[in-house]
Amino acid sequence: EVQLLESGGGLVQPGGSLRLSCAASGFSFSSYGMSWVRQAPGKGLEWVSAISGSGGSTYYADSVKGRFTISRDNSKNTLNLQMNSLRAEDTAVYYCARGDEYCSSTSCYFDYWGQGTLVTVSS
Amino acid sequence: EIVLTQSPGTLSLSPGERATLSCRASQSVSSNYLAWYQQKPSQAPRLLIYGASSRATGIPDRFSGSGSGTDFTLTISRLEPEDFAVYYCQQYGSSLTFGGGTKVEIK
Repeated sequence: EVQLLESGGGLVQPGGSLRLSCAASGFSFSSYGMSWVRQAPGKGLEWVSAISGSGGSTYYADSVKGRFTISRDNSKNTLNLQMNSLRAEDTAVYYCARGDEYCSSTSCYFDYWGQGTLVTVSS
Repeated sequence: EIVLTQSPGTLSLSPGERATLSCRASQSVSSNYLAWYQQKPSQAPRLLIYGASSRATGIPDRFSGSGSGTDFTLTISRLEPEDFAVYYCQQYGSSLTFGGGTKVEIK
């Protein structure tokens, strides 16, 4: 059974940093591209960042480019998102999502999602 | 960036009725790379449809997707109580964007 479990969310002040993690199990982690997708309170879904199965290629939405860094550790089946210079508009539930088996760069749909972790940016 | 516009914003229907949800793209979606998701309160999204018309594993056949180019439709043939939720479309032909969602509520 595919499982994705996010952790690391919490309350942080504007300008602060936070590191999210996603523990994956039930599939060959290194064979799949992975993404982070966020959802602000009461709002829709927004893709944030993606990484290839090998970790060699990364992609970012313009809204987070230069502030967020996606990475993965295939030996530990873990996906990470380092978030720096956080802003109030980054407040959201952050979901870890698995790209489909043919996922290439950002040409992906998402067949499995974690339950999400809440990040609140506020003073 | 391809902008996806979903309509209506809210659909009020009764169980057993047919639901028709629209997703319109600002430009043609390459290879009809269009997916649909269902999201219930406090839950993660669930994949329903990919490639505009292919049902994901385990999705009941009352859910169907159609369309091409810039106009796509999700149809729920007969609403079950568990189908009342928010539905999002997503294009993955040119980067990744989501529509704003359609809420299907009980009338």
